[in-house]
Amino acid sequence: NAGVTQTPKFQVLKTGQSMTLQCAQDMNHEYMSWYRQDPGMGLRLIHYSVGAGITDQGEVPNGYNVSRSTTEDFPLRLLSAAPSQTSVYFCASHNFDEQYFGPGTRLTVT
Amino acid sequence: AQSVTQLDSQVPVFEEAPVELRCNYSSSVSVYLFWYVQYPNQGLQLLLKYLSGSTLVKGINGFEAEFNKSQTSFHLRKPSVHISDTAEYFCAVEEGAQKLVFGQGTRLTINP
Repeated sequence: NAGVTQTPKFQVLKTGQSMTLQCAQDMNHEYMSWYRQDPGMGLRLIHYSVGAGITDQGEVPNGYNVSRSTTEDFPLRLLSAAPSQTSVYFCASHNFDEQYFGPGTRLTVT
Repeated sequence: AQSVTQLDSQVPVFEEAPVELRCNYSSSVSVYLFWYVQYPNQGLQLLLKYLSGSTLVKGINGFEAEFNKSQTSFHLRKPSVHISDTAEYFCAVEEGAQKLVFGQGTRLTINP
């Protein structure tokens, strides 16, 4: 049981480049979420999904896209990276009373 | 919208001393509250949760928290800390549809 996996662990992008952060879970949870963590701001919700084919925006969705074609996978896309998107990104898979977090992706945009 | 305030950004304590990490949330009719811990360079791990019932909640690693509805607080406590408790601690409230709103985090540093 791998839980929640995220790839890559680290990434450096130039401004304007695009990339996809991958997230997968093997717990058969319907709910999945993406957060970004910035110093002094805790974790903020970017997008979430309540099941395959259903996604919605969180607190800070601008600049990010998501899709959910399967229960297992929930990729996060940056279409045109900006320095303000430098952050640590966490994916979570959850049931009613607990969220299970992946190890995170540290993204730097120069 | 819900909000969570962690009153201390950093808390230094000596090993084997007691510690309290403070958390206040915006009021609501009913709330689900959580404490998560993040060890260096890792993801978050659930420490404990309050969903309903007893206001004193026990979690892993000897931590406990008390839900106080009148003061809208959910403070985390441990009677005797260890070096291994050095981490960042996050309080969170559920805002419906399993969406979590996190506080800013409290960095707990244990000194020998």
